[in-house]
Amino acid sequence: QVQLVESGGGVVQPGRSLRLSCAASGFIFGGYGMHWVRQAPGKGLEWVALVSYDGSNKYYADSVKGRFAISRDNSKNTLFLQMNSLRAEDTGVYYCAKDQSGGWCHYWGQGTLVTVSS
Amino acid sequence: EIVLTQSPATLSLSPGERATLSCRASQSVNNHLAWYQQKPGQAPRLLIYDTSNRASGIPARISGSGSGTDFTLTISSLEPEDFAVYYCQQRGNWPPSITFGQGTRLEIK
Repeated sequence: QVQLVESGGGVVQPGRSLRLSCAASGFIFGGYGMHWVRQAPGKGLEWVALVSYDGSNKYYADSVKGRFAISRDNSKNTLFLQMNSLRAEDTGVYYCAKDQSGGWCHYWGQGTLVTVSS
Repeated sequence: EIVLTQSPATLSLSPGERATLSCRASQSVNNHLAWYQQKPGQAPRLLIYDTSNRASGIPARISGSGSGTDFTLTISSLEPEDFAVYYCQQRGNWPPSITFGQGTRLEIK
C-alpha cells in the first residue's frame, strides 16, 4: 500500500532554513508527480509546491516562490522541500502527497510540524 | 488566482440526514474540482476529483456535481464517520494553479 512518511520538521528561528523529506513506498515513485501542502495551526489547507515525475518541472505557490525549492531523488524514493528565509507565517504542518492526474493529492503522509519562532 | 468560497462554514445535521456542501469559484475551473475530508489529527483524504469521480474506496453515498463556477458535494445519508471538515480544491489549467477553499465543518446536531 502507498506510504508517505515526512521528516525534518522542528523549531527554527525566522530567517533560517530547514529541509523536509518525504520517504515514499508502495508505488512506483518515479512515475508520479508529488506535492507539498501545508496547514497552519487551526487553519485550512494551503498548496505549496508540485514537482513532476522526473523532477524537470516545478511549480510553487506565490507565497513561497523564491524561498522554497522542491526536489526529488527517484533513486531513493524521496521527496524534499528546502525552505529558506523562513517566516512566522510558514509555521504549520507540512504534508507530502502523491499526485493524481496533474493536480489532485491522492495519498497523503501524516505530516511534519514546522514552527518558526524566535 | 482563483478563489474558492465554501458554504456554509458550519453545517449541523444528524446521522441519516442528507448533507449538501457548496463550493463557488471566482472564475470557471471547468470540471477541475476536487473534494477532501479531514478529521481531527489526521491528514486529508481525497474523496472526489474532476467534479464527480469518486476516489478509490469512497462509498457511493458520497457524490459530487457541478460545472463552471458552482459545485456541490452531497452525502446522501450521513454516517457517524462522515462528521469532519471538508475542503474543495481546484487545479486550474496547465501549469497548475492550485487553491483550496476555506473548508466546511460538518458537525453532529
